[in-house]
Amino acid sequence: AQSVTQPDIHITVSEGASLELRCNYSYGATPYLFWYVQSPGQGLQLLLKYFSGDTLVQGIKGFEAEFKRSQSSFNLRKPSVHWSDAAEYFCAVGRGNKLTFGTGTQLKVEL
Amino acid sequence: DTGVSQNPRHKITKRGQNVTFRCDPISEHNRLYWYRQTLGQGPEFLTYFQNEAQLEKSRLLSDRFSAERPKGSFSTLEIQRTEQGDSAMYLCASSQSGAGAPRYEQYFGPGTRLTVT
Repeated sequence: AQSVTQPDIHITVSEGASLELRCNYSYGATPYLFWYVQSPGQGLQLLLKYFSGDTLVQGIKGFEAEFKRSQSSFNLRKPSVHWSDAAEYFCAVGRGNKLTFGTGTQLKVEL
Repeated sequence: DTGVSQNPRHKITKRGQNVTFRCDPISEHNRLYWYRQTLGQGPEFLTYFQNEAQLEKSRLLSDRFSAERPKGSFSTLEIQRTEQGDSAMYLCASSQSGAGAPRYEQYFGPGTRLTVT
């Protein structure tokens, strides 16, 4: 069975600081990997995706993520966080016609 | 705006009542998904349609839940005899399938928040 683990429930960073959100997956084959962001009371917005090829993928809002097969990880990064990035971030794996999500990481940005 | 829309955005109901939610997907998308999200959790898959056919249902979808997509466009999710444990955000997503379509790339609506009192 596949699973997605986001080990950090809450993360607080200062505005302008760099950010890395962790995601680990367990899945036999090369997975389809996604990061979504959810603002309070809203649906999920797709930030970026990895299917194959270059292991460093760029997304919207200045986010990027790196797929590391050896570590079964797909961590999300941003060089300089803005106050508007405060939200909940979900990593997801696609398989069998659906997405399986992690439990999310709540990002707080201190001004 | 051609994104996924859901109605209502909020629903408060009393235990035992029936509720129905509607989802309008992105018009060119042939797949439609329903997920449920409880507080502090990520979304969990409930069911999905390809055109009008319901192709998969999760074990989370008890007999009190039914979903339809009668003409392959909008979808409804009905919960009968609601229980307090049904309180959650119900999310709808859509995607395009077929040759050349990006697999698993789902676009989500804003959700319907259900509160059962």
